[in-house]
Amino acid sequence: GAVVSQHPSWVICKSGTSVKIECRSLDFQATTMFWYRQFPKQSLMLMATSNEGSKATYEQGVEKDKFLINHASLTLSTLTVTSAHPEDSSFYICSASGWGSGANVLTFGAGSRLTVL
Amino acid sequence: KNEVEQSPQNLTAQEGEFITINCSYSVGISALHWLQQHPGGGIVSLFMLSSGKKKHGRLIATINIQEKHSSLHITASHPRDSAVYICAVSPNSGGSNYKLTFGKGTLLTVNP
Repeated sequence: GAVVSQHPSWVICKSGTSVKIECRSLDFQATTMFWYRQFPKQSLMLMATSNEGSKATYEQGVEKDKFLINHASLTLSTLTVTSAHPEDSSFYICSASGWGSGANVLTFGAGSRLTVL
Repeated sequence: KNEVEQSPQNLTAQEGEFITINCSYSVGISALHWLQQHPGGGIVSLFMLSSGKKKHGRLIATINIQEKHSSLHITASHPRDSAVYICAVSPNSGGSNYKLTFGKGTLLTVNP
């Protein structure tokens, strides 16, 4: 089946540093990738939608200069949290949609837990 | 008011019980998804529905478009079914079927 590999699964960093999270589709071409963040006991909140080869579309209230998204190929999208601060600590998860195994698929990554000290 | 409401928020069951989780939504949708999130955080897509009923193993999902309501049923529940079950909808905004609005989830605990 369609698999999305997301890493790192957890990361701890110092305030002011940047952190990159990768989301890779392993056996299908991900034409669209979605990035979410989730606070404890809360719903997933969509941050941005990215289509391969074009700029990401950010949801209202999400700073595009803070959360840099790159979707340069059909199998890889990255989210970079720039100049991270403790309030950026959260669970970030990606999902990818595309064509795989003869059908449209939607698959989620395992998520990345970011802790900013 | 949230666009997607789930009930109950928490559900504890004994192994073998029949489980029902409900989802109501207030917007027109192109599809409804049921997702499962395990304690580690990873999410698995269980169903995508636009009408009727789907079955996969012990899981059954139904949707009533007119009533804007969906249910997820688990038959013969097992402790390994313990997880958060999330209802998510793709609003009829002309966008992708996969641009989702999420409910807050239902925490299911199945005791042996």
